Amino acid sequence: KAGVTQTPRYLIKTRGQQVTLSCSPISGHRSVSWYQQTPGQGLQFLFEYFSETQRNKGNFPGRFSGRQFSNSRSEMNVSTLELGDSALYLCASSLELFGTGSGELFFGEGSRLTVL
Amino acid sequence: DAKTTQPTSMDCAEGRAANLPCNHSTISGNEYVYWYRQIHSQGPQYIIHGLKNNETNEMASLIITEDRKSSTLILPHATLRDTAVYYCIVRALTGNQFYFGTGTSLTVIP
Repeated sequence: KAGVTQTPRYLIKTRGQQVTLSCSPISGHRSVSWYQQTPGQGLQFLFEYFSETQRNKGNFPGRFSGRQFSNSRSEMNVSTLELGDSALYLCASSLELFGTGSGELFFGEGSRLTVL
Repeated sequence: DAKTTQPTSMDCAEGRAANLPCNHSTISGNEYVYWYRQIHSQGPQYIIHGLKNNETNEMASLIITEDRKSSTLILPHATLRDTAVYYCIVRALTGNQFYFGTGTSLTVIP
């Protein structure tokens, strides 16, 4: 069974640009969540999508957005990039809505974004 | 607000049991405790989770106190490959948000 796949693995952008990251969950998983990891802030929850609907959202500005498609694949977008957006962006999938106790999160290897 | 509290770092001798504590004093009755670990430059890996009872799997054991305000992850025979940052997670009490703990950096020493 293929794991969670994130693309691209590495990318470099400049301030003011926008970026789109992609995540393909494990087959059959309906929930996809996104996390930002930085050395200073650690792992921070961005948002969670379940059946194409955003179910939960973390404390990030509106520049961070996402969506989920009918095949459960998800994308997240960051507009007007800032230097502080440089981070490892992790995607995780699960069978059901995380925290219901019915399963765990399976993480991808992440997309490392560098903003210059 | 921090949802969980963990020691910043711990050392453990190879072959010995590693006991990693986590405090989650505001956990509600229907929230689960999850443990994950992250080896450098990799995505976090699920270890174990539980609600009330102690749990054991091929990787570790999870001991949850009777009042559910704290838990301990036990790696029974630590190996060098267990060196990682260990995160304790509980489902948010309000606001439907998720918080990772501060994480404990475990170093297994030969």
